[in-house]
Amino acid sequence: DMKVTQMPRYLIKRMGENVLLECGQDMSHETMYWYRQDPGLGLQLIYISYDVDSNSEGDIPKGYRVSRKKREHFSLILDSAKTNQTSVYFCASSRQSAEVFFGKGTRLTVV
Amino acid sequence: GDSVTQTEGQVTVSESKSLIINCTYSTTSIAYPNLFWYVRYPGEGLQLLLKVITAGQKGSSRGFEATYNKETTSFHLQKASVQESDSAVYYCALLTTNAYKVIFGKGTHLHVLP
Repeated sequence: DMKVTQMPRYLIKRMGENVLLECGQDMSHETMYWYRQDPGLGLQLIYISYDVDSNSEGDIPKGYRVSRKKREHFSLILDSAKTNQTSVYFCASSRQSAEVFFGKGTRLTVV
Repeated sequence: GDSVTQTEGQVTVSESKSLIINCTYSTTSIAYPNLFWYVRYPGEGLQLLLKVITAGQKGSSRGFEATYNKETTSFHLQKASVQESDSAVYYCALLTTNAYKVIFGKGTHLHVLP
């Protein structure tokens, strides 16, 4: 069953708190992504990971960091969350130039 | 850098009418990128609708089709007769051939009126 799973689906945090968003995939894909989606801005790439411990900044990495210790897991960490990080976050995975599979998203609200 | 442009943020069409959602792309790569249309239904994650990896070819799925036009750098999505169940957000995307980055347009929200 080809799937990208994101946890949690909904999260409310206070400004300054740390946030951990988790993502898993069961397809042994090398490449994984974190995007955020905001109205009128579409999907913006935060980080891309090419394999375990092989991560690169995307277009908007500031305020985020990632961790990939196992091929099937890719975590997004917000140290000291800010209100402008309220968004819907999507994790995705792919095998090189093949189709990209997406999770259902995590809606994060920072108050 | 590479980019994808969708000019319409929202499109409203009556059921059984035809649809076109515009997409143009720009790339600095020598090689032609792979092009995709993704769709996001309410409450769901993005899913691949169709893809074309060869310039000049046409992709089709679920009655939708898009032609990869390298001369006009366009990849417009078309459907001859839309249904209410097609209401969703549609994203045009390209996959860069060097860094395997997927770059998305801003999305077009399609409302199909019954």
